[in-house]
Amino acid sequence: AQSVAQPEDQVNVAEGNPLTVKCTYSVSGNPYLFWYVQYPNRGLQFLLKYITGDNLVKGSYGFEAEFNKSQTSFHLKKPSALVSDSALYFCAVRADNAGNNRKLIWGLGTSLAVNP
Amino acid sequence: EAQVTQNPRYLITVTGKKLTVTCSQNMNHEYMSWYRQDPGLGLRQIYYSMNVEVTDKGDVPEGYKVSRKEKRNFPLILESPSPNQTSLYFCASSARDSPYNEQFFGPGTRLTVL
Repeated sequence: AQSVAQPEDQVNVAEGNPLTVKCTYSVSGNPYLFWYVQYPNRGLQFLLKYITGDNLVKGSYGFEAEFNKSQTSFHLKKPSALVSDSALYFCAVRADNAGNNRKLIWGLGTSLAVNP
Repeated sequence: EAQVTQNPRYLITVTGKKLTVTCSQNMNHEYMSWYRQDPGLGLRQIYYSMNVEVTDKGDVPEGYKVSRKEKRNFPLILESPSPNQTSLYFCASSARDSPYNEQFFGPGTRLTVL
């Protein structure tokens, strides 16, 4: 069965420090991986995705994520956190051999708090 | 501006009173979906639609109905709402049902059923 785990409910970092939000997945077949961000009282916004190719993916707002096939991980990173990055972050996965199962599998989300 | 709109944004209603939450997208997307978001449960898909007149159940379809008569609209209908349907609802769309297409989300509808 497909699954996504975001092992940390909350991550706290100081402004200017690097941040990492973790995501691990389990799928049969090759994974398609996504990160979304939800700011307070807003809908989810797409940040970045891994489909194939370079394991380091760059996305919006200075975020990047590294696909690690052997560790089945897709951690979200940013070299220098901003207070405005404080939000809820969701990882999602879908397998390329999902057949009729078209839906994304979502993690439960990680709340990121960046402290001034 | 490319967007997904939902109405209403906030709704308080009573048990059993039928309601409809509208969703519209202006990107000519084929795929549309409804999710509910609950604390500790993340996002759960209610229904989705591959295209006009094509809809299917997601993970938690009980108590909900949808229709897709036009490409741009995908309303969510609660025929007899109950308190356990109190939640934050999101509509989303993507160009087509491809595994590598990202989804565009509406701003959400916060529903309270008393």
